[in-house]
Amino acid sequence: AQSVTQPDIHITVSEGASLELRCNYSYGATPYLFWYVQSPGQGLQLLLKYFSGDTLVQGIKGFEAEFKRSQSSFNLRKPSVHWSDAAEYFCAVGPMAGNKLTFGGGTRVLVKP
Amino acid sequence: GAVVSQHPSRVICKSGTSVKIECRSLDFQATTMFWYRQFPKQSLMLMATSNEGSKATYEQGVEKDKFLINHASLTLSTLTVTSAHPEDSSFYICSARDRTGGAEAFFGQGTRLTVV
Repeated sequence: AQSVTQPDIHITVSEGASLELRCNYSYGATPYLFWYVQSPGQGLQLLLKYFSGDTLVQGIKGFEAEFKRSQSSFNLRKPSVHWSDAAEYFCAVGPMAGNKLTFGGGTRVLVKP
Repeated sequence: GAVVSQHPSRVICKSGTSVKIECRSLDFQATTMFWYRQFPKQSLMLMATSNEGSKATYEQGVEKDKFLINHASLTLSTLTVTSAHPEDSSFYICSARDRTGGAEAFFGQGTRLTVV
């Protein structure tokens, strides 16, 4: 069965500092991987996705993620966080584009001034 | 990008009543829509896959008679929570895939259901 683990429930970073959110997955075939961001009481916004090709993918809002097959990881990074980046971040995996996504538990990011 | 709209964004209902939540794809057609449930401070759990013109496929443990799903057109899926109870209070989110084969599902803004 597929699963997604986000080891960090909460992360607090200072504004301007770098951010890395971890995501590990378990999947039997080639995974389709996604990172979403959710602001309080809101739906999900896609930050980036990986299907194939270059393992370093660029997303919106200055985010990037690197797929490492050997480590079954898809960590999300941002070089310099802004106060508006405070939100909940979800990593997800699916068997094909957009179908029946399995989500990680989420990581809540707090940004200190 | 593609837009998925959910309505209502918030609803409060009395225990025992039914509530309908709509999920619309505004600028694309969706043969498949997905309904997720999110408990406070938890992740999203897939409840069911809604297929246009056919019965929905429910995930294990989800009561299909309690959570009625209708996907009557290529732009609309509805989730009806029947005989709602306080434990049904949750955040419900839908997503939709473009029938032309787009590579991702687009999420609605969610519906906060509170049963009192």
